[in-house]
Amino acid sequence: SQTIHQWPATLVQPVGSPLSLECTVEGTSNPNLYWYRQAAGRGLQLLFYSVGIGQISSEVPQNLSASRPQDRQFILSSKKLLLSDSGFYLCAWRTSGGSYEQYFGPGTRLTVT
Amino acid sequence: DQQVKQNSPSLSVQEGRISILNCDYTNSMFDYFLWYKKYPAEGPTFLISISSIKDKNEDGRFTVFLNKSAKHLSLHIVPSQPGDSAVYFCAARGLYNNNDMRFGAGTRLTVKP
Repeated sequence: SQTIHQWPATLVQPVGSPLSLECTVEGTSNPNLYWYRQAAGRGLQLLFYSVGIGQISSEVPQNLSASRPQDRQFILSSKKLLLSDSGFYLCAWRTSGGSYEQYFGPGTRLTVT
Repeated sequence: DQQVKQNSPSLSVQEGRISILNCDYTNSMFDYFLWYKKYPAEGPTFLISISSIKDKNEDGRFTVFLNKSAKHLSLHIVPSQPGDSAVYFCAARGLYNNNDMRFGAGTRLTVKP
């Protein structure tokens, strides 16, 4: 069965510090991978998605970047965090060419102070 | 831009009664709709979906109805159980981009014993 991991679960970082959130998927090959952010009281906002190694599509201009160095690894980064980067970050995967349902990881709660 | 709207931030129902969660969308190019359920500090889990060529899809206690002319969909839970208490997100997929999923802000359902 497929499993998706995200870490860390919670993170408190000062403004201006760098960020690296990691997501890995097990039990599937060549998945489509996604990064979402949920701000307080808001819905999920798609930040990035990737359909293959090294391929990244950005949906929202922002202070963040994403990379996919391996087939089942997706990384969300920032060089300098802003207060507005606080939120709940979710990684998700979907079978490439399969059904449209996306499956989410447990999320990372990021607080920028 | 809020292309998917869930106008009720919360809903409270009695155990055993019907829960009806509503969702409206503005983009007629959405062709696939999904409902997700989310518990605190966890990622959303897929619940049920419906294609735009259908007007109803049923899975156990959960039924999703789609009214394309009104650009409205609803999730019915019958009978409601205390374990159904969670935040429910409506999501819609764009016709031309399998990876572009738009989420509503969510409705918090509380089922009282």
